[in-house]
This record gives sequence, C-alpha cells and structure tokens, in this order.
Amino acid sequence: AQSVTQPDIHITVSEGASLELRCNYSYGATPYLFWYVQSPGQGLQLLLKYFSGDTLVQGIKGFEAEFKRSQSSFNLRKPSVHWSDAAEYFCAVGARSGGSYIPTFGRGTSLIVHP
Amino acid sequence: EPEVTQTPSHQVTQMGQEVILRCVPISNHLYFYWYRQILGQKVEFLVSFYNNEISEKSEIFDDQFSVERPDGSNFTLKIRSTKLEDSAMYFCASSERTGFIGYTFGSGTRLTVV
Repeated sequence: AQSVTQPDIHITVSEGASLELRCNYSYGATPYLFWYVQSPGQGLQLLLKYFSGDTLVQGIKGFEAEFKRSQSSFNLRKPSVHWSDAAEYFCAVGARSGGSYIPTFGRGTSLIVHP
Repeated sequence: EPEVTQTPSHQVTQMGQEVILRCVPISNHLYFYWYRQILGQKVEFLVSFYNNEISEKSEIFDDQFSVERPDGSNFTLKIRSTKLEDSAMYFCASSERTGFIGYTFGSGTRLTVV
C-alpha cells in the first residue's frame, strides 16, 4: 500500500525567504503526486500535480515541485514566500485501486510566515 | 469558480447522538467523496459514491456511517451514534469523473463530539 511522509510538522520562514516542504512517498509503481494547500477556514486547494513527463512541475501561486524517483520524493518549493502563503500544506499520492484512485495524504506541514 | 459547499462549518453534538453533515457538490460532477481529518493526523478517505451507490469505502467507514444523495444537489454523511473519536474535520469532495485527478474539496465541517 502507498504511504506519504511529511517529516516537518511546522516550518517557519521569514517573508521573502525561500521555502522547501518535504514529501516522501512509498509506492511500487509510478505514482500520481499532488500538493494541496489548506488556508484557515478553506477547503483543500490543489497547488500542483505530477503524473508523468517533466519531473519539475509548476503550480499556482508561484509554487513548484520536483519528482525525484531515486529519492522517492516530491518536495514543494517557492523562491520567495509571501505572508499569505501561511497555511497547511498536504502532499498526497494517488494510486489506482480497482476502478478508482484512492488518495493517501500526508499529515501536513504547517507553514508559519514571519513579517 | 465552482465550489463544493459544506454545512454547517462547525457542529457540536453529544456522544450517542446522530449527526448529518451536508454537502452540495459541483453541479455537473458525478463522483462524490467524504474524507476526515482527526486533529493533528492525516486526511483519511472514508467513502466514494457514484450512480447512487457506494463505489469504494475504507475500513473507517463502518456500520455507523452512511451516505445518501437525497435529491439532485445534496450529498450527506450520517453518523448514527457519535463517539468521542468521531471528532474531526470532515471534507466533502466531488469530481467529474472517477479518480483523484479532478477533485474539488469543500471547506469542511468541524465535528466536535462531547
């Protein structure tokens, strides 16, 4: 069965600094990989996804993620963080189960942005 | 942009009581899902629903849970006899077609069982 590990429960950065949120997955085949963001009081919003092809994926809000098969990682990056990026970030892996895809989420990383 | 709407945003209930969490999926979506997130833990899949029947369910989705699409717009999750451990954030999601690719999540209902 697939699993996702987000090793950092909290990350604190200063506004304008760069950001990297870590995600490691376990899955036997090529996974579908996702990053979601949850702002306070909001639903889970898809930031970006990887299915195949170019391993560097661009998403919304200036985020990008790189799939590294050798490291089983899909880390999320942003070159310059804005205060509005403070939120909970979830990595997820989707694997086919029967006729549908059952996603597995990580525990989430809470991003705190200092002014 | 179309949204998945969940009501209420927060519900407090006494242990043993029945609760119904409501969701209005995006109108042209055909697949509906419930997830939950216990505080500090992972977002967990509960159930998927298509063509008026459950298509997948997890181990968590036991006999105390049920889902229904009572009309053309609502999708509900019922917990028959709530337990303290049912306290969690419950997310509804919908998609045009099967699979994780096109999920849209609602903003969640925080259920507190006291």
